[in-house]
Amino acid sequence: AQSVTQPDIHITVSEGASLELRCNYSYGATPYLFWYVQSPGQGLQLLLKYFSGDTLVQGIKGFEAEFKRSQSSFNLRKPSVHWSDAAEYFCAVGGVYNQGGKLIFGQGTELSVKP
Amino acid sequence: GAGVSQTPSNKVTEKGKYVELRCDPISGHTALYWYRQSLGQGPEFLIYFQGTGAADDSGLPNDRFFAVRPEGSVSTLKIQRTERGDSAVYLCASSRDRTDTQYFGPGTRLTVL
Repeated sequence: AQSVTQPDIHITVSEGASLELRCNYSYGATPYLFWYVQSPGQGLQLLLKYFSGDTLVQGIKGFEAEFKRSQSSFNLRKPSVHWSDAAEYFCAVGGVYNQGGKLIFGQGTELSVKP
Repeated sequence: GAGVSQTPSNKVTEKGKYVELRCDPISGHTALYWYRQSLGQGPEFLIYFQGTGAADDSGLPNDRFFAVRPEGSVSTLKIQRTERGDSAVYLCASSRDRTDTQYFGPGTRLTVL
């Protein structure tokens, strides 16, 4: 079955510290991978996506993610967290040719930032 | 340009009532998706439209849920005989086509009393 696992429900980091949010997926074909961020009262905003090619992808707001096929992972990283990064982060997997583009989301990781 | 809009932003209804939730996608986007997000969970796929037709409705939980997109633009999600378990945030997303990035609306928070 296709699924996405985000092992960490809640993470707290200090402002200026580095961040890594974990994402593991199970998918029967070459996946398309996404990270979205959701702030309170806001819609989901795309941070970055991986379709093919370079396995290290850069996104908005200084985020990056690395696709590791051997580990079925797509972890999100940021070298220095800002207080405004506090939000809920969702990893998602999708396909095109057999899924019509629908996304399967993980449970989410809530990020808190300490001053 | 304008993003995806959804109305109403909040809907409170009583168990057993009928509700309609509206989604206005980004102009020119042919693909439209509905998701449901329960508290503490990630969004869960409900239905996907390509143009006017429902290309994939495998995520609709039962026959109380129905969605239409008659002119290939605005879509309405319809829920009959609402139940307390239907309480959630209903999200709509659109994309230029099924291979492109999905842009999400702010959602409609449905509360069934």
